[in-house]
Amino acid sequence: QLVLTQSPSASASLGASVKLTCTLSSGHNNYAIAWHQQQPEKGPRYLMKVNSDGSHRKGDGIPDRFSGSSSGAERYLTISSLQSEDEADYYCQTWGTGIHVFGGGTKVTVL
Amino acid sequence: EVQLVEAGGGLVQPGGSLRLSCVASGFTFSNNWMHWVRQAPGKGLVWVSRINTDGSSISYADSVKGRFTISRDNAKNTLYLQVNGLRVEDTAVYYCVGGWELNYWGQGTLVTVSS
Repeated sequence: QLVLTQSPSASASLGASVKLTCTLSSGHNNYAIAWHQQQPEKGPRYLMKVNSDGSHRKGDGIPDRFSGSSSGAERYLTISSLQSEDEADYYCQTWGTGIHVFGGGTKVTVL
Repeated sequence: EVQLVEAGGGLVQPGGSLRLSCVASGFTFSNNWMHWVRQAPGKGLVWVSRINTDGSSISYADSVKGRFTISRDNAKNTLYLQVNGLRVEDTAVYYCVGGWELNYWGQGTLVTVSS
């Protein structure tokens, strides 16, 4: 079964970095994922696709301080130089035969 | 600028029906897979359904299979979701989303199922 697991919360200080993790279920190590950001009271926004080899492709207008990487079954989103507007929920998402799946989301707090 | 504008949400009694629509602009609608994703109040994102570029391939989440129907009209750049047999647990903001990787998001339309 295709499942994505995320930690519920993360925090870091203004100007620091934070690395979010999305873990693919067993047997799905080679799957690509996408990251989406949802700021408070707003609709989600596509950030990037992250492939199993660690390469990533960002959506239009996504700042350089957002980057993606991979290791085994884990896919990462790193936000550098945290800004107040980065305080949001972050969801990973993937796709399989006849299905798309979201992780439970990670709430990022900027201290 | 990409825009996805949903409409059709509202308050409906359990067992009722609604037809959600989404008008797309700013990208080539007919070349993109389209999805509906929902979010219950205070909860996470849940994928609902997807449709390929010409409507020949459609998938649904198990929770809505047999009750919801996705369709599209490429001539009108419009995506639809017919929702029947609504349940209290279907209460959510419904987002129209474009692209295989869910690249383009609308602002959502709220569906409230309550007696």
